[in-house]
Amino acid sequence: DTEVTQTPKHLVMGMTNKKSLKCEQHMGHRAMYWYKQKAKKPPELMFVYSYEKLSINESVPSRFSPECPNSSLLNLHLHALQPEDSALYLCASSQDYGGSSYEQYFGPGTRLTVT
Amino acid sequence: GNSVTQMEGPVTLSEEAFLTINCTYTATGYPSLFWYVQYPGEGLQLLLKATKADDKGSNKGFEATYRKETTSFHLEKGSVQVSDSAVYFCALTPPNTGGFKTIFGAGTRLFVKA
Repeated sequence: DTEVTQTPKHLVMGMTNKKSLKCEQHMGHRAMYWYKQKAKKPPELMFVYSYEKLSINESVPSRFSPECPNSSLLNLHLHALQPEDSALYLCASSQDYGGSSYEQYFGPGTRLTVT
Repeated sequence: GNSVTQMEGPVTLSEEAFLTINCTYTATGYPSLFWYVQYPGEGLQLLLKATKADDKGSNKGFEATYRKETTSFHLEKGSVQVSDSAVYFCALTPPNTGGFKTIFGAGTRLFVKA
């Protein structure tokens, strides 16, 4: 199974709402990522978890809160978002820390619209 | 610093034409190099990779060779199909960063006409 799944596929939320994005993989990967992708742009790294510990936070605003409950699951909690946060949010996973040659496996993304 | 530069798109080709998408990079040491493809409405998929100089990555008729002397990793395909229409991202992962920080190029959109 080389699949990364993400739910929901689409999400519309108001600026005062709280919602969560979910990501799951069963490839035994120990590194998991959140990216943000705006239209016609490459993905921008937000967070990296390695062995369920937050390894990288790319200075993301606190209205985005990641969580890694176990090695297969990754959540992104959203609160008080702004319209400019509307984007495609991609989850990815890769084999564990140890080298630069490991490719990332991406999920299909959650299309988020903030109204 | 580390960076990836791709040719600007969109690239429009007729079916069965030859494809080249240029990619050059700047990095210290020996990064790993990747091509990812993103079909409409989907996430990114690895297309091919190369981890050391002179390595050739290949998949689904696409090829790219890691050229250290020209710091390039150009993507080629001999005969494109309509189904190859997508956005192609060249990317690198620098050494000594744990492999977590992938640097993506801006992406090149390919349209293939029947």
